[in-house]
Amino acid sequence: GAGVSQSPSNKVTEKGKDVELRCDPISGHTALYWYRQSLGQGLEFLIYFQGNSAPDKSGLPSDRFSAERTGGSVSTLTIQRTQQEDSAVYLCASSSTGGSTDTQYFGPGTRLTVL
Amino acid sequence: AQSVTQLDSQVPVFEEAPVELRCNYSSSVSVYLFWYVQYPNQGLQLLLKYLSGSTLVKGINGFEAEFNKSQTSFHLRKPSVHISDTAEYFCAVRNTGGFKTIFGAGTRLFVKA
Repeated sequence: GAGVSQSPSNKVTEKGKDVELRCDPISGHTALYWYRQSLGQGLEFLIYFQGNSAPDKSGLPSDRFSAERTGGSVSTLTIQRTQQEDSAVYLCASSSTGGSTDTQYFGPGTRLTVL
Repeated sequence: AQSVTQLDSQVPVFEEAPVELRCNYSSSVSVYLFWYVQYPNQGLQLLLKYLSGSTLVKGINGFEAEFNKSQTSFHLRKPSVHISDTAEYFCAVRNTGGFKTIFGAGTRLFVKA
């Protein structure tokens, strides 16, 4: 079956511009996660959606970052007024229920470069 | 707070040699442990996970890991590596009551012919 997909695969933008990154989770998965992977570092948790519950935004690094999940499926991560330090690979993952034993399935990521 | 330390940022090894990728974690609560692999230009893929029971966990592609609670370690091993095992490997921890997964910085395994 189809896995997690993300678009675009690469995004180059100028400092100060806004960007939107999209994630399509596996069909039927109720939990969705966004992570940021900076060069030479592990994955940094950004935000978690579970069903209709309020998202856990505790990992968002600043108020320039926001995310939404429409209809319990597709999610969009928006970065406003991008800065060079926002350059990273943004990974999306989904899991069936969001339970602590669940396996997370990752998309291929969006590589964001801010010039 | 939880943390994960992967002790080696890079591990070069010859094909058919054994390999061990080290992972130590810190947590004040019970945890589940995971190893993920990331091949070039791909997303992360689960190799194996420890939830409970036997401390020796077998995963895909011939990898296995051993949970050692007293040493708070979860080292990944493979007795004989292939060129195709060249990838980045991430150790991760999640507390047993939560959803947030904490990842290590990764270990790049480079298998040489």
